[in-house]
Amino acid sequence: AQRVTQPEKLLSVFKGAPVELKCNYSYSGSPELFWYVQYSRQRLQLLLRHISRESIKGFTADLNKGETSFHLKKPFAQEEDSAMYYCALRDSGTYKYIFGTGTRLKVLA
Amino acid sequence: DSGVTQTPKHLITATGQRVTLRCSPRSGDLSVYWYQQSLDQGLQFLIQYYNGEERAKGNILERFSAQQFPDLHSELNLSSLELGDSALYFCASSIGPEPGDTQYFGPGTRLTVL
Repeated sequence: AQRVTQPEKLLSVFKGAPVELKCNYSYSGSPELFWYVQYSRQRLQLLLRHISRESIKGFTADLNKGETSFHLKKPFAQEEDSAMYYCALRDSGTYKYIFGTGTRLKVLA
Repeated sequence: DSGVTQTPKHLITATGQRVTLRCSPRSGDLSVYWYQQSLDQGLQFLIQYYNGEERAKGNILERFSAQQFPDLHSELNLSSLELGDSALYFCASSIGPEPGDTQYFGPGTRLTVL
């Protein structure tokens, strides 16, 4: 069955430190993967998607099919990065979206 | 506000009742998505519509139904409500139905079932 796993509920890092938010998936086909972010008192929003191979707000995510991972990385965390991050997979057959349980990132001053 | 709007913001009701949540997409967006966010189940995709037609179905219970109207607004109907249906219900819209089309989320409707 398709599944998205975010093993960390909470990740705390100091400002300026590197950040890696883990996401592993279980999917038999070619996955379409996304990262969504929800800042405090704001709406959920798309951060990036693997098909675009983009860098948004300094974040990047590389799809590793061998490890079935799509970890979100940023070399130098900023306080404004503190938010809830969700990894999601879209089933290209059924068009269903499957979300991970989310990781709360806290960037400490 | 030209973004996604949802009404009502809050809804408190009793078990066994039926409620309707409403979503108005961004101007020009043809696709609408519904999600449920609860403490125990996290964020769950419920259903997607594109231009009035059902496009994808997720973990939507049989007690729940949705539709997208000709003016592109959408309604999510929840019936025979149970305590476990208490959650934040989001809708999102995008210009098209594809994963490359960015979804824009609404503020959500918080449903409390007593």
